[in-house]
Amino acid sequence: GDSVTQMEGPVTLSEEACLTINCTYTATGYPSLFWYVQYPGEGLQLLLKATKADDKGSNKGFEATYRKETTSFHLEKGSVQVSDSAVYFCALSNQGGKLIFGQGTELSVKP
Amino acid sequence: GAVVSQHPSRVICKSGTSVKIECRSLDFQATTMFWYRQFPKKSLMLMATSNEGSKATYEQGVEKDKFLINHASLTLSTLTVTSAHPEDSSFYICSASPHGGGTGHNEQFFGPGTRLTVL
Repeated sequence: GDSVTQMEGPVTLSEEACLTINCTYTATGYPSLFWYVQYPGEGLQLLLKATKADDKGSNKGFEATYRKETTSFHLEKGSVQVSDSAVYFCALSNQGGKLIFGQGTELSVKP
Repeated sequence: GAVVSQHPSRVICKSGTSVKIECRSLDFQATTMFWYRQFPKKSLMLMATSNEGSKATYEQGVEKDKFLINHASLTLSTLTVTSAHPEDSSFYICSASPHGGGTGHNEQFFGPGTRLTVL
């Protein structure tokens, strides 16, 4: 069945460091891909999405490119801030609107 | 816009009792709502999908008689954990989608979650 695998955390970075969180997927057909963020004590929020191959999603300085040839959707940010500390979930949506999530990666940014 | 609320945010109950969790879409009508369970340091696991006015569709391994889902209106879905036991302790999250299934590209808006602790 469809699945999402993302790098294990926690990831600890200093402020202004570069961030990459790897995400790969297995799916039939042509899924949409998402990154969700969960700040402490809050619900999941959509961070960015891409609906077809080579699409680049971006928001709040974060980017991810839908790579069909490598079945990947890595999350990147050039300069992280303390306020980016959260848990990040990669997810795919195939048929029926169901979301399949990766295991989540906790990011901690230190000043 | 697109706000989803859950009530209660936290609940502690005794083993053997039932607990009801409400999920409301506050500023849109949700044709479809989803219920997830999240374990500590783990991903979200989809429990069931509910469409307004019809029976919920449960994922494999989820007991439908234990986790009763009702989606009586376009803005409200409820999850009732019946005869709760300590192993049911978890973080339960709902989401709502303004559209039906269809293409699979429809966005889901998530509630803040309900922390259930069964003693």
